[in-house]
Amino acid sequence: EVHLVESGGGLIQPGGSLRLSCAASGFTVSSNSLSWVRQAPGKGLEWISLLYGDDTTYYADSVKGRFTISRDTSKNTLYLQMNSLRAEDTAVYYCARDYPGSSLSWYFDLWGRGTLVTVSS
Amino acid sequence: DIVMTQSPDSLAVSLGERATINCKSSQSVLYSSNNKNYLAWYQQKPGQPPKLLIYWASTRESGVPDRFSGSGSGTDFTLTISSLQAEDVAVYYCQQYYSTPGVTFGQGTRLEIK
Repeated sequence: EVHLVESGGGLIQPGGSLRLSCAASGFTVSSNSLSWVRQAPGKGLEWISLLYGDDTTYYADSVKGRFTISRDTSKNTLYLQMNSLRAEDTAVYYCARDYPGSSLSWYFDLWGRGTLVTVSS
Repeated sequence: DIVMTQSPDSLAVSLGERATINCKSSQSVLYSSNNKNYLAWYQQKPGQPPKLLIYWASTRESGVPDRFSGSGSGTDFTLTISSLQAEDVAVYYCQQYYSTPGVTFGQGTRLEIK
């Protein structure tokens, strides 16, 4: 069975850094494209980053230059390094798998349960 | 960015009745070369992650009950639940994937039982 499990969230002060992890099981991160999608408390969904199978990365303007997506194929894990955190980054962060196919689909068939990041002093 | 606007923001429907959720995009998400609408629908139950229901505007994801259907083209789309069940209480989101890299979601529609 396929799963995604996020971890690494918590309370962090503005300007601080945090690294989120997303452990995959039942499939390999090396042959799938994965995204991070966040949801502020009581709000809607915001796509923030995608790592394509060929290592190409994409970012939303709201996080470009502050967040970095990466993966460790030996650990079958996706990461999101978040720097210069702001109050508006407070959200549940989900990792999500791009619908499998021969190219990027940009819609997501598998989601983790998310990890909460709270940016507050 | 393409802005996705859903209506209504919330909806209350009786069990067994039809529920209809609308989604409008600020520009067409129909790609003329393949005649496909780059539009997906998700269901998010309380405390859970989103679940993919429909992609290409009308293709039901494997395992999704056939009471869920998607329709529309260009800029106007509809998610219909033909006979509402108690387990369908959730927030529903549309998402465009025409304008990439990056995708955008609607603000969500909360569906409740009347």
